[in-house]
Amino acid sequence: DGGITQSPKYLFRKEGQNVTLSCEQNLNHDAMYWYRQDPGQGLRLIYYSQIVNDFQKGDIAEGYSVSREKKESFPLTVTSAQKNPTAFYLCASKDRGPNYGYTFGSGTRLTVV
Amino acid sequence: GENVEQHPSTLSVQEGDSAVIKCTYSDSASNYFPWYKQELGKRPQLIIDIRSNVGEKKDQRIAVTLNKTAKHFSLHITETQPEDSAVYFCAARRDQGAQKLVFGQGTRLTINP
Repeated sequence: DGGITQSPKYLFRKEGQNVTLSCEQNLNHDAMYWYRQDPGQGLRLIYYSQIVNDFQKGDIAEGYSVSREKKESFPLTVTSAQKNPTAFYLCASKDRGPNYGYTFGSGTRLTVV
Repeated sequence: GENVEQHPSTLSVQEGDSAVIKCTYSDSASNYFPWYKQELGKRPQLIIDIRSNVGEKKDQRIAVTLNKTAKHFSLHITETQPEDSAVYFCAARRDQGAQKLVFGQGTRLTINP
């Protein structure tokens, strides 16, 4: 998976449940990002973290939460407050410095049932 | 806020013809512009990128041009092949701060045999 692993690949959530999406990287990257992808809307930033124990809201953070207790891990929790959580979720990481692009995980497809 | 507009949303070309996708960005401080290719259900893959001190970059059949004054950049694919069919995303970011990528809405490119 190119050094960044997302799990599970598919996830089904019942109404009112919280679910957590996993993102782990072994690239020693400082920065990690969560994006949501809906058809026709590109990728929208949910949360990002530039360093351990620090994270910031992106453009669509409402109904989501994150933690960054370890450099390798940046889990995303989709809470019951997120009214329309069905989407494809992508995690990415990046090394320091301006000359590096993102490395993406393979994504988690979340469906509300 | 920062915004990237991408056109067209869908593009269909005959195999062997050229394809052009255009993006406009709003943040004049942006100085890194990557292009990603995403196949159905897969992660985005970086195919080419350009920095603001360069006007054009080419890699085999793929080229990107940048007009900083107009805040406009384009992806050019020549001699298109069926395997070029995918969704393409442009993005922009600053080198400073969180280095968050802001994505365009995507272009679904279909190569007709």
